[in-house]
Amino acid sequence: AQKVTQAQTEISVVEKEDVTLDCVYETRDTTYYLFWYKQPPSGELVFLIRRNSFDEQNEISGRYSWNFQKSTSSFNFTITASQVVDSAVYFCALSEAPGNYGQNFVFGPGTRLSVLP
Amino acid sequence: IAGITQAPTSQILAAGRRMTLRCTQDMRHNAMYWYRQDLGLGLRLIHYSNTAGTTGKGEVPDGYSVSRANTDDFPLTLASAVPSQTSVYFCASSEGTSGANVLTFGAGSRLTVL
Repeated sequence: AQKVTQAQTEISVVEKEDVTLDCVYETRDTTYYLFWYKQPPSGELVFLIRRNSFDEQNEISGRYSWNFQKSTSSFNFTITASQVVDSAVYFCALSEAPGNYGQNFVFGPGTRLSVLP
Repeated sequence: IAGITQAPTSQILAAGRRMTLRCTQDMRHNAMYWYRQDLGLGLRLIHYSNTAGTTGKGEVPDGYSVSRANTDDFPLTLASAVPSQTSVYFCASSEGTSGANVLTFGAGSRLTVL
């Protein structure tokens, strides 16, 4: 069965520090997709990135970067030079190719990041 | 602004009462979903609909029902609310049902059952 683990429940950093949020997944499929979503204090869930299982290239978007390693089943998220506005709960999610039930997202429990001024 | 509208934003409900959470999307997405968010558990799928006219059970369907009469609307009904259904409920949609589809979420409905 598919599973997503985010071992860090809460992280606190001081502004301008770098921080890495860990995500480890389990799946038996060879085709799957990994996602990160951000949930700021306002509550809505915001899509950040999607990565498919055949593309292990790291991705950088401004201060955000993602490291996908199939060998360790990990899809970690790094924020460089963190800012107070980065304070949020971050969810990692796994989606496999559709089976009898269509697309099935599995979310990790989330990591709450607090960036202190 | 295109997206998902959920109502109500927040509701306090007595146990045993019936409650319907409304969800409407204007993106013409085929698939829609209901999740509940509980501390430490992330988001768990309650029910889903791959296309209008069809629905299916997710991970935690007991005590909930859904319908999908048309593309845009996907209401979630609690027939007889219980305190364990206190949660934040998110409606989501995706264009299709391949694994690659990105979920778009509504703003959530906070439900408290006393």
